[in-house]
Amino acid sequence: DAGVTQSPTHLIKTRGQQVTLRCSPKSGHDTVSWYQQALGQGPQFIFQYYEEEERQRGNFPDRFSGHQFPNYSSELNVNALLLGDSALYLCASSLVSRTVSYEQYFGPGTRLTVT
Amino acid sequence: AQSVTQLGSHVSVSEGALVLLRCNYSSSVPPYLFWYVQYPNQGLQLLLKYTSAATLVKGINGFEAEFKKSETSFHLTKPSAHMSDAAEYFCAVSGSGNTGKLIFGQGTTLQVKP
Repeated sequence: DAGVTQSPTHLIKTRGQQVTLRCSPKSGHDTVSWYQQALGQGPQFIFQYYEEEERQRGNFPDRFSGHQFPNYSSELNVNALLLGDSALYLCASSLVSRTVSYEQYFGPGTRLTVT
Repeated sequence: AQSVTQLGSHVSVSEGALVLLRCNYSSSVPPYLFWYVQYPNQGLQLLLKYTSAATLVKGINGFEAEFKKSETSFHLTKPSAHMSDAAEYFCAVSGSGNTGKLIFGQGTTLQVKP
């Protein structure tokens, strides 16, 4: 059973550029959440996608946008990159129609470095 | 608004000693609480979760946590530390509205000394 996968593993971008990160959820899951984890910090919720729509959003600017495809995979896009966007970006998947425990399974993350 | 506070950014124990990692939460609704572990250069792995059933929750790798509503705490314990337990540990609470948004603490680094 494949878990949550993310690509790429590492990425280096320059300030002002745009980046796209990808996530495939665990088999059978229909909901994808994205988190940003700065060095030495806990993960911060960016947004969550369910049924191809953004269901909830954290305190992140509009430069952060996303998409969910019919196969439940998801993309995170960040425009006009800033040095402060350097972080580990984690994708988590869950099954929203299951119990209300909201157990989320995390992928290994994409390490983004902005120079 | 919900929040999580992890007391102690670094905890050091000897191999075989008791592990105690502290977590206090703030929530205006009955919370769902989680402990995750993160090994270097990896994602987060769920250790255990509290979902309003039994207050003492057992997880993987010998860890357990007790939900204490009166103290708004959800501390993580393990009777005997192993070298392989060295990692970063995060406590999290689910967001309001039961939408699955997780709010994490700042994390506690566990060091295990031989």
